[in-house]
Amino acid sequence: DTAVSQTPKYLVTQMGNDKSIKCEQNLGHDTMYWYKQDSKKFLKIMFSYNNKELIINETVPNRFSPKSPDKAHLNLHINSLELGDSAVYFCASRMVGLAGHNEQFFGPGTRLTVL
Amino acid sequence: AQSVTQLGSHVSVSEGALVLLRCNYSSSVPPYLFWYVQYPNQGLQLLLKYTTGATLVKGINGFEAEFKKSETSFHLTKPSAHMSDAAEYFCAVSEMAGGTSYGKLTFGQGTILTVHP
Repeated sequence: DTAVSQTPKYLVTQMGNDKSIKCEQNLGHDTMYWYKQDSKKFLKIMFSYNNKELIINETVPNRFSPKSPDKAHLNLHINSLELGDSAVYFCASRMVGLAGHNEQFFGPGTRLTVL
Repeated sequence: AQSVTQLGSHVSVSEGALVLLRCNYSSSVPPYLFWYVQYPNQGLQLLLKYTTGATLVKGINGFEAEFKKSETSFHLTKPSAHMSDAAEYFCAVSEMAGGTSYGKLTFGQGTILTVHP
């Protein structure tokens, strides 16, 4: 069974459209993250939720809106897509509070291409 | 604030040779350190981590890394490279548990490892 899953795996869309990416984890973790990997493979944190509460909100355009309906899910909605939004978006999860267990488990990524 | 610098965006070795991927970090608080590997068109897989305790940590696939606080380094090594090791490797840092950054990972720029037959 996949620990952290993302849908869709590939997303090709036109500029100006609105799209969503979904993430689900079955690890029982309480914290989830969205990272963006740009064309140069640089990975940067975007958002994080802990128990459905937004705890990290990096400098990201407000066209990006995360939503966590429950601890196992973290979705990312993007309005008015721009060319610069083309990237691979990774979801990750971890369990806060377990000493020595700070690693994050990553999903397979969603490759977003904006034309 | 935390940052990570990986020296060398590309490293090329022969099969059977020593692999050394360099990582230096900056952190105002005691760090947790990680190495992740990314194979083409795949997600990130944890190779190994340093949290507390022994500074030499062993990971999967024969990799190991040593935390050197005085040098603010966490270099990744493997005694003998295999063709299957060809991938991109990312060093990352986070705060220790309970920190105000909520465990977010700050990544280095990545190092592409090429293994020649």
